[in-house]
Amino acid sequence: KQEVTQIPAALSVPEGENLVLNCSFTDSAIYNLQWFRQDPGKGLTSLLLIQSSQREQTSGRLNASLDKSSGRSTLYIAASQPGDSATYLCAVPSPSYGKLTFGQGTILTVHP
Amino acid sequence: DAGVTQSPTHLIKTRGQQVTLRCSPISGHKSVSWYQQVLGQGPQFIFQYYEKEERGRGNFPDRFSARQFPNYSSELNVNALLLGDSALYLCASSLEAGNTEAFFGQGTRLTVV
Repeated sequence: KQEVTQIPAALSVPEGENLVLNCSFTDSAIYNLQWFRQDPGKGLTSLLLIQSSQREQTSGRLNASLDKSSGRSTLYIAASQPGDSATYLCAVPSPSYGKLTFGQGTILTVHP
Repeated sequence: DAGVTQSPTHLIKTRGQQVTLRCSPISGHKSVSWYQQVLGQGPQFIFQYYEKEERGRGNFPDRFSARQFPNYSSELNVNALLLGDSALYLCASSLEAGNTEAFFGQGTRLTVV
């Protein structure tokens, strides 16, 4: 059974800092890994999808890496802004169909 | 293009009642999945439908059921509501059944009193 863990559970940083969010998974037989952002009480916004054949994926100030062999992914946010405050979730699909297994999320607060 | 749309956005029901939640996927997407998210946790998988057939079911009681229509929209039904069913219900749309990017709607907040 796939299990996904995110560390830290919460993070508070001053504006402008670079930060790293961590995601680990127990079953390395994954096809991809997806990072999402969730604002309070809202749905999920897809940030990045990394295929298993890739090691990195970038979008603006966001960079996600994937190491299948060690069962880890990181989301790097450069020059954080108060608008980045949200919960960040990582998820991996099951091998046979599209069920996503999510981590518990990291609650990020960026203060001015 | 419109994203994934869910209705209603908020709902209050009484214990024992039944509820139907609706989801319209992104145009061209054939797969719809449903998730339940309780406060402070990650979303939990309930169902996946692809081409109107159930492709996967999570660890939820039989009070939960779903279906997908020929236009790929979907409904999630929950019978005999319990207080513990209070949650944010999320619908995800994707092109195919697996290993493609998932896009989520804004969710339906269900409160059972």
